Amino acid sequence: EAQVTQNPRYLITVTGKKLTVTCSQNMNHEYMSWYRQDPGLGLRQIYYSMNVEVTDKGDVPEGYKVSRKEKRNFPLILESPSPNQTSLYFCASSLLYGYNEQFFGPGTRLTVL
Amino acid sequence: AQSVSQHNHHVILSEAASLELGCNYSYGGTVNLFWYVQYPGQHLQLLLKYFSGDPLVKGIKGFEAEFIKSKFSFNLRKPSVQWSDTAEYFCAVNAQEAAGNKLTFGGGTRVLVKP
Repeated sequence: EAQVTQNPRYLITVTGKKLTVTCSQNMNHEYMSWYRQDPGLGLRQIYYSMNVEVTDKGDVPEGYKVSRKEKRNFPLILESPSPNQTSLYFCASSLLYGYNEQFFGPGTRLTVL
Repeated sequence: AQSVSQHNHHVILSEAASLELGCNYSYGGTVNLFWYVQYPGQHLQLLLKYFSGDPLVKGIKGFEAEFIKSKFSFNLRKPSVQWSDTAEYFCAVNAQEAAGNKLTFGGGTRVLVKP
């Protein structure tokens, strides 16, 4: 089944404890992206990647890092999480950069205490 | 920069009622337009999309949307809703020249359909 998977689905952590949220897609998509969803704000892009080893900042990159060492994986790294990063996170992928239909993962609900 | 606004944050209606959700965007260039739905506890699913051609777009589950370029609008409609349409609906816009292939989302509209 074609899909985008994320792990973990739920995470509660404390301020300053480094964490990684994994994202993987099995559709051979070149483009991948991370969004965060906050009430009333819709989804906002954090980082994106046009292909392996090519990443760039979205609208709200502060406090996040990403890497794209393999085509299928695009982990989101929070080096020192803070409470304002409590949010619902979605990974998305699309076939190509510029091919604009994006497929979303199931989401990761993160709480930083 | 592109932006998207959805007029209603919450909509409550009864089964069989008609639904229309407003979406307006601000961007002067060529855009691709989307409606996504998020059922409770689930991820976003694409309802329908507009890239070009007929401005009246039909999607899944009986939804349709009309792109009116002069009004910068892409309103979502369904003639007769069901309880299972209870969800949050997001309008999204991608400007074809936008960096990052970014989808800009509206704030969402929570729809509650009473049985």
